[in-house]
Amino acid sequence: DIQMAQSPSSLSASVGDRVTITCRASQSIRNYLNWYQQKPGKAPKVLIYAASTFQSGVPSRFSGSGSGTDFTLTISNLQPEDFATYYCQQSYSTPHTFGQGTKLEI
Amino acid sequence: QVQLQESGPGLVKPSETLSLTCTVSGDSVSSDSHYWGWIRQPPGKGLEWIGYIYYNGGNNYSPSLKSRVTISIDASKNQFSLNLNSVTAADTAVYFCARVGDDYGDYARFDFWGQGIPVTVSS
Repeated sequence: DIQMAQSPSSLSASVGDRVTITCRASQSIRNYLNWYQQKPGKAPKVLIYAASTFQSGVPSRFSGSGSGTDFTLTISNLQPEDFATYYCQQSYSTPHTFGQGTKLEI
Repeated sequence: QVQLQESGPGLVKPSETLSLTCTVSGDSVSSDSHYWGWIRQPPGKGLEWIGYIYYNGGNNYSPSLKSRVTISIDASKNQFSLNLNSVTAADTAVYFCARVGDDYGDYARFDFWGQGIPVTVSS
């Protein structure tokens, strides 16, 4: 199985800040990387797939980059509704494993 | 709009079989345009990929669960199901069903999710 490691595990920020979350794969996954946002008690929501392609309806303050083993999710101009937990997921080979999550707190 | 809804018992006894159903509206489980999957989340923990079911009944399971899991499709009811046998307390989790979107068979991602159903394994 491909292991996905996110850092940091938690992050404190303020409204208006710019934050970056990192995801590292245990082997090259090319650009087969998804990012999800999950709020408490809710299902996750896909933000980005193919490392940098926006899912329909996602605000442009979210951006993704990377290829191979190292990826980042950047959120610019943090809004109150962005405080949530973020997960990466590789879709290069099954099982399509998730990272352990990064909790973004105010 | 695509909608998914999980249903099933919220409490299962150890060693028994966990059975959940996902009812889909706004799309067809027998269409070859998408496929379907299950994910779980233990309390306070991260997401775990369980497996996929394809329109033709083909499947792909997590190696860690493969000996205990079956995912199937009921096209007549536009549903797909998860069976997990020989459960233990470690299988206690919120279980999500989801649709898998992709780009012509590539870049799979879960693009529509059910709300999740909590399942506790306890005697």
